[in-house]
Amino acid sequence: RKEVEQDPGPFNVPEGATVAFNCTYSNSASQSFFWYRQDCRKEPKLLMSVYSSGNEDGRFTAQLNRASQYISLLIRDSKLSDSATYLCVAPPQGYNQGGKLIFGQGTELSVKP
Amino acid sequence: ETGVTQTPRHLVMGMTNKKSLKCEQHLGHNAMYWYKQSAKKPLELMFVYNFKEQTENNSVPSRFSPECPNSSHLFLHLHTLQPEDSALYLCASSQVDDSYGYTFGSGTRLTVV
Repeated sequence: RKEVEQDPGPFNVPEGATVAFNCTYSNSASQSFFWYRQDCRKEPKLLMSVYSSGNEDGRFTAQLNRASQYISLLIRDSKLSDSATYLCVAPPQGYNQGGKLIFGQGTELSVKP
Repeated sequence: ETGVTQTPRHLVMGMTNKKSLKCEQHLGHNAMYWYKQSAKKPLELMFVYNFKEQTENNSVPSRFSPECPNSSHLFLHLHTLQPEDSALYLCASSQVDDSYGYTFGSGTRLTVV
């Protein structure tokens, strides 16, 4: 099983739609997770962190389900500017991994007018 | 300057050339990372430096040689690369064992001809 696995998409949605991405992780001991956003040919940028059951920031909601080992990202009222690749990120397995993070392959979102 | 700065932004090199990528962080972080991002693939961790000591070499070919002279600077020396090494090379920094994620540089887009 991959350490972090995402549906690559692409997700094509109209403006104003609600869209959700899921991500599964293999390390049951992981405590913190992240969603990064990466625009085309740019570096990834931190979007949200998830430490407990969930986190909400405006139109974005990240949820964590430890029992099933998945993280989700919900985007409400999609904007054209939300078009990007969304990367799910988790710490790796094992002790003493420092700040090392493992990235999923990303889910591509395209919001259309 | 703030954040994580990478130079050059673009690099085209022949297979017999030697070049170096530079990364500098102004965030007071103590961990730095090199990642490789090829088209349609997840970010691949290459090297990890904690407190300027290399703690991870993720089976990277010896034609890639990292150097970390201090906690703020990280280099990736390149020699006799192959065309399949063409990719976006991203530097990131964080605090060791930090749960707040990385800050990435803008990356160096490398083309090997």
